[in-house]
Amino acid sequence: AQSVTQLGSHVSVSEGALVLLRCNYSSSVPPYLFWYVQYPNQGLQLLLKYTSAATLVKGINGFEAEFKKSETSFHLTKPSAHMSDAAEYFCAVITKRGATNKLIFGTGTLLAVQP
Amino acid sequence: EAQVTQNPRYLITVTGKKLTVTCSQNMNHEYMSWYRQDPGLGLRQIYYSMNVEATDKGDVPEGYKVSRKEKRNFPLILESPSPNQTSLYFCASSRGDRAYNEQFFGPGTRLTVL
Repeated sequence: AQSVTQLGSHVSVSEGALVLLRCNYSSSVPPYLFWYVQYPNQGLQLLLKYTSAATLVKGINGFEAEFKKSETSFHLTKPSAHMSDAAEYFCAVITKRGATNKLIFGTGTLLAVQP
Repeated sequence: EAQVTQNPRYLITVTGKKLTVTCSQNMNHEYMSWYRQDPGLGLRQIYYSMNVEATDKGDVPEGYKVSRKEKRNFPLILESPSPNQTSLYFCASSRGDRAYNEQFFGPGTRLTVL
């Protein structure tokens, strides 16, 4: 079964610094991978998704992620952090459940941005 | 505006008192799902529904019930809540459950069971 592992439950960066949030996946088939963001007191919002069309995926708010099959990774990056990026970020993978699909989430990474 | 709404947003209740959390979407989505979010565990699926009158268990269904009598609504029912059901709950919907379909999430319901 497919799964994702997020390394680092808390990440702190300075405003303007590079953001790197790590996600590794486990999958026996080409995976569909997602990054979601959860701002305080809000639901989850899709940042970007990988569906095998291109290995470098660009999302909203300047975020992007690169699918690396050799490393089984799908890390999320942003060149310059902004205070408004402070949120919790979830990596997720689609797995098969019988005839249907199911979204499996990682445990989340809380990003703090220091002024 | 396309959205998923949940009510209530916050609820404090006592053990054993039946409650219902409502979920409604206005996007004509076939697929709807309930998740609970707990610290260090991420989101875990409770129940899902492929369409009207078609529901099935997710990963953590014990203590919960759902119904899907209308396409837009997918209420979560706790017949006899217990403290271990204290959690943050999210409803989500998508157009079918194809692997590439984006799920849209509601704002969440924070439930405390005393």
